Amino acid sequence: TQLLEQSPQFLSIQEGENLTVYCNSSSVFSSLQWYRQEPGEGPVLLVTVVTGGEVKKLKRLTFQFGDARKDSSLHITAAQTGDTGLYLCAGAKSGNTPLVFGKGTRLSVIA
Amino acid sequence: EAGVAQSPRYKIIEKRQSVAFWCNPISGHATLYWYQQILGQGPKLLIQFQNNGVVDDSQLPKDRFSAERLKGVDSTLKIQPAKLEDSAVYLCASSVSGQVSGNEQFFGPGTRLTVL
Repeated sequence: TQLLEQSPQFLSIQEGENLTVYCNSSSVFSSLQWYRQEPGEGPVLLVTVVTGGEVKKLKRLTFQFGDARKDSSLHITAAQTGDTGLYLCAGAKSGNTPLVFGKGTRLSVIA
Repeated sequence: EAGVAQSPRYKIIEKRQSVAFWCNPISGHATLYWYQQILGQGPKLLIQFQNNGVVDDSQLPKDRFSAERLKGVDSTLKIQPAKLEDSAVYLCASSVSGQVSGNEQFFGPGTRLTVL
């Protein structure tokens, strides 16, 4: 059983479109992180959210942590080809427990 | 600042052979992680070191996998003997401490292992 379910698994959109990807769980997390991974590289941290209902913005990316701290979403406005990659969410149940990763959403932005 | 270094980048072996991967974390980072990322999956933690001590190795298949971090800096991960299902990317990451919140993990580029 996957602790963190990400959807959709694959997404292909045109440049300029908006999109939202989701990370859902039946478990409560003390913190949740979003990473982006490009082919042949390791994941790179985009954001960490720790408070239920928290919203963080990183340029055209908006991250939200669910009120119950069981789910999160990533919204990209006006997608660019440089946004192409694998988006991974990862949660920790407490400050000392290991991160658990979802399977990721593979995003392809076409010019 | 230099990032996390890993070698080799690619390795192809036959099943039942042995293989070793090397990781050099960011200078000053006390915590080092080894993850396994199978194609189409997210990374799965194999082992976490705090300096040269093991913090968590609950998901390490200890009958065939071993890891060490002598002197609390570089680390090696070994598989002996390898199985077909070990084909994956092995990622090393490091962080200042083991706390998740406010403590970024920096990942290396990974070693892509193919077992034939």
